[in-house]
Amino acid sequence: KQEVTQIPAALSVPEGENLVLNCSFTDSAIYNLQWFRQDPGKGLTSLLLIQSSQREQTSGRLNASLDKSSGRSTLYIAASQPGDSATYLCAVSQISSGSARQLTFGSGTQLTVLP
Amino acid sequence: SQTIHQWPATLVQPVGSPLSLECTVEGTSNPNLYWYRQAAGRGLQLLFYSVGIGQISSEVPQNLSASRPQDRQFILSSKKLLLSDSGFYLCAWSGGTGAQGGQPQHFGDGTRLSIL
Repeated sequence: KQEVTQIPAALSVPEGENLVLNCSFTDSAIYNLQWFRQDPGKGLTSLLLIQSSQREQTSGRLNASLDKSSGRSTLYIAASQPGDSATYLCAVSQISSGSARQLTFGSGTQLTVLP
Repeated sequence: SQTIHQWPATLVQPVGSPLSLECTVEGTSNPNLYWYRQAAGRGLQLLFYSVGIGQISSEVPQNLSASRPQDRQFILSSKKLLLSDSGFYLCAWSGGTGAQGGQPQHFGDGTRLSIL
């Protein structure tokens, strides 16, 4: 059974700092890995999707890497801003039935960027 | 562009009452649809997913059920709610997938369900 772990559970940094969030998974037979952002009381916003054949994806100040063989992914946030404060979730997908892709989520890293 | 709608946003129900949460997707056809629950202090748990009309797969045994009466409509139901059903319910969709890789899942804004 796939298990996804995110470290640290919470992180507080001053504005402008670069930071790294970590995600590890136990079964390397994945199709892709997705990073999400969740604001309090809100749904999830997809940030980046890395296919299993890819090593990294970039969007603006965000860069996500994937090392499938070691079961690890990192989300790098450059020049953090108070608006980046949220819970960040990673999830890996494995085929369940037909074309559906079941996502297994980590429990998230709660990020606070202090002004 | 594709959009996903969930309602209601919040719901307070007594124990033993029925439940119906609705989710609709616009701007795409034949999506894969998902229901997740996020309980306090716990991660997201996949409850049901559907690859087509009338096709429902259950991941967790419980007193909840799901139905997909139309291509872009997904409904989560219960005949009698339990206290343990409290949580944040999220609907998601993804596009069809090819032989390799997969499409990202996109989430609605969620329904906060409180059972009294």
